[in-house]
Amino acid sequence: QVQLQESGPGLVKPSETLSLTCTVSGGSISNYYWSWIRQPAGKGLEWIGRIYTSGTTNYNPSLESRVTMSVDTSKNQFSLKLSSVTAADTAVYYCARDHIMSGYFDYWGQGTLVTVSS
Amino acid sequence: DIQMTQSPSSLSASVGDRVTITCRASQSISTYLNWYQQKPGKAPKLLIYAASSLQSGVPSRFSGSGSGTDFTLTITSLQPEDFATYYCQQSYRTPRTFGPGTKVDIK
Repeated sequence: QVQLQESGPGLVKPSETLSLTCTVSGGSISNYYWSWIRQPAGKGLEWIGRIYTSGTTNYNPSLESRVTMSVDTSKNQFSLKLSSVTAADTAVYYCARDHIMSGYFDYWGQGTLVTVSS
Repeated sequence: DIQMTQSPSSLSASVGDRVTITCRASQSISTYLNWYQQKPGKAPKLLIYAASSLQSGVPSRFSGSGSGTDFTLTITSLQPEDFATYYCQQSYRTPRTFGPGTKVDIK
């Protein structure tokens, strides 16, 4: 059973960089797309972007100038960096497996709350 | 970006009721439409993919239909554990986009 677990600081100061890592267990990270999705409290879901295990990325244009994703296949991990954060970036951040052919998210992490505040 | 809308935004229903939720895309997305269930404090759970395919382990009372721009999620006999928020998501192209959600609560 594939499991995903997000990790990283729960509090980030405004203008700094949010950094999260997702560790995949129970299966290989290879040959899949891996996505980051966020959800502000009481609101809907926003796709941030995805990375393939080759390193190919697709980002949401609304965030593209601030987003960097990377993958470490040796550790079965992929990561998100979001720069110049503001309070509007406060949200629960999820990592998820992105089915390569059909684009659905079949496995999700439990989510991690990141608060942007001084 | 492909915009997704859902109706209704919320509904109240009783156990045993048949519930239908509609999702509409701003352009044709063929059958690249997926449905998720989310309970408070939990990650979304995939229910239906490719418009009508039931994800493994999901009860058969859930079903999906549609193609092009109009899609439907149906729960044939609502169970207590089905009270949740439901989201549709298009996977026709990036950026992936979700509908705003439909909250199903107890009447």
